[in-house]
Amino acid sequence: QVQLVESGGGVVQPGRSLRLSCAVSGFTFGSYAMHWVRQAPGKGLDWVSVISYDGPHKYYADSVKGRLTISRDNSKNTLFLQIHNVTSDDTGVYYCARGKSTALSAAVDSWGQGTLVTVSS
Amino acid sequence: DIQMTQSPSSLSASVGDRVTITCRASQTVANYLNWYQHKSGEAPRLLIYGASSLQSGVPSRFTGSESGTYFTLTISTLQPEDFATYYCQQTYSAPFTFGPGTKVDIK
Repeated sequence: QVQLVESGGGVVQPGRSLRLSCAVSGFTFGSYAMHWVRQAPGKGLDWVSVISYDGPHKYYADSVKGRLTISRDNSKNTLFLQIHNVTSDDTGVYYCARGKSTALSAAVDSWGQGTLVTVSS
Repeated sequence: DIQMTQSPSSLSASVGDRVTITCRASQTVANYLNWYQHKSGEAPRLLIYGASSLQSGVPSRFTGSESGTYFTLTISTLQPEDFATYYCQQTYSAPFTFGPGTKVDIK
C-alpha cells in the first residue's frame, strides 16, 4: 500500500539549517506531484511547497520563499525539504504528501504521519 | 495569493445531526477546491476533491458543492468518528492555501 515516511525532524537551533526527507513506497513515485504541508502547535494546516513529478517545477508559500528548497530523487523514491536559517515560526509537524496525479493542481490524497521540528536554543 | 476563509470556526453537534461547513475563496478557484478531515495525532485525510467528487473509500454521507467562490461540505448524518477539524484547500493557483479550519466537536 501507499506509504510515506518522513524523517529528519528534531530540535534545531535558530539560524541553523535542516533537511527533511520523505521515503515513499507502494506507488510509482516519479508519476506524482509531491507536497510538504506543516502544522504549527495549536494551529491549522499550512501548505508549504509542491514539486512537479519530474522535478523542475516548484512553488512555495510566500512565508517561506527563499529559505526553503524542495527537491526529489525519483531514483531513490525520496522527497526532500531543506530549511535554511530556521526561526521559531518553523516549529511544527511537517507532513509529506502525494498529489492525486502528475498535475500540480491535483488534490493531496496520501499523507505521511509527519515529523516534528522544534526550533529552540 | 488566494485567501480562503471558513465558517464557522467551530461547531458543536450531536451524532445524527446534519452539519454544513462553508469555505469562501477571495477570487475564482474554478472547482479546484478540496476538503480534508484531520484528527489530532493522525495524518489528514482527503474527503472531497474538485469541489464535489468523493474520494475513494470516503463514506457517502460526505458531500461537497459549489456556488461561484462559495463551497460547502455537508455531513448528512454525523457519526462518532466524524468529530475532527475540517479544512478546505484551493489548488487552482500556487500557493495552494488552506482555510483556517472548522472544528467539529461533540455537543
